[in-house]
Amino acid sequence: GEDVEQSLFLSVREGDSSVINCTYTDSSSTYLYWYKQEPGAGLQLLTYIFSNMDMKQDQRLTVLLNKKDKHLSLRIADTQTGDSAIYFCADFNDYKLSFGAGTTVTVRA
Amino acid sequence: GAGVSQSPSNKVTEKGKDVELRCDPISGHTALYWYRQRLGQGLEFLIYFQGNSAPDKSGLPSDRFSAERTGESVSTLTIQRTQQEDSAVYLCASSPGRQRVGDTQYFGPGTRLTVL
Repeated sequence: GEDVEQSLFLSVREGDSSVINCTYTDSSSTYLYWYKQEPGAGLQLLTYIFSNMDMKQDQRLTVLLNKKDKHLSLRIADTQTGDSAIYFCADFNDYKLSFGAGTTVTVRA
Repeated sequence: GAGVSQSPSNKVTEKGKDVELRCDPISGHTALYWYRQRLGQGLEFLIYFQGNSAPDKSGLPSDRFSAERTGESVSTLTIQRTQQEDSAVYLCASSPGRQRVGDTQYFGPGTRLTVL
């Protein structure tokens, strides 16, 4: 099956940039996604990138994809306390999403 | 329009009892998915429905788990003879069902199941 791995924890100071990294193994993934999960809530789609792109920017979010190394990252500029959450990367192949275990981002004042 | 809804939001049951979880997908979405999220872990795929096609049940962990979907609407996930290891958040997602391009999945808030 497909494996998606992420760092488990990230602590960042308010106002700094956060970078969350993810690696995946399925070379036939067509799309890669980032989801955000706040405490007690479901998953909120943040952004996604098509596998033939290497960068996508959406307001404070920048997604970088290195398809050769199967490495995906999410950068959050000017991190705010409301960005504290668990962030999941997922790869999409056919109709299935394969999720990483999630990165818990803690924003400190 | 309305998002994916799930009920109940919380369910506490005794070991050995059966439970039924419900998912209402986004109207017009032909694809529906169930996932399980154990505490501190990522999402584990359980089952996928696409229109009138046979569902992909490859993720169901045992024959105690089953799911049904009526047409392209409501789905129910049933767990028979619940065990403590079934305790988890059960998430439902739906998507428009365009399989040849990225088919973004939208998630419901989940049902938190606790088996005592």
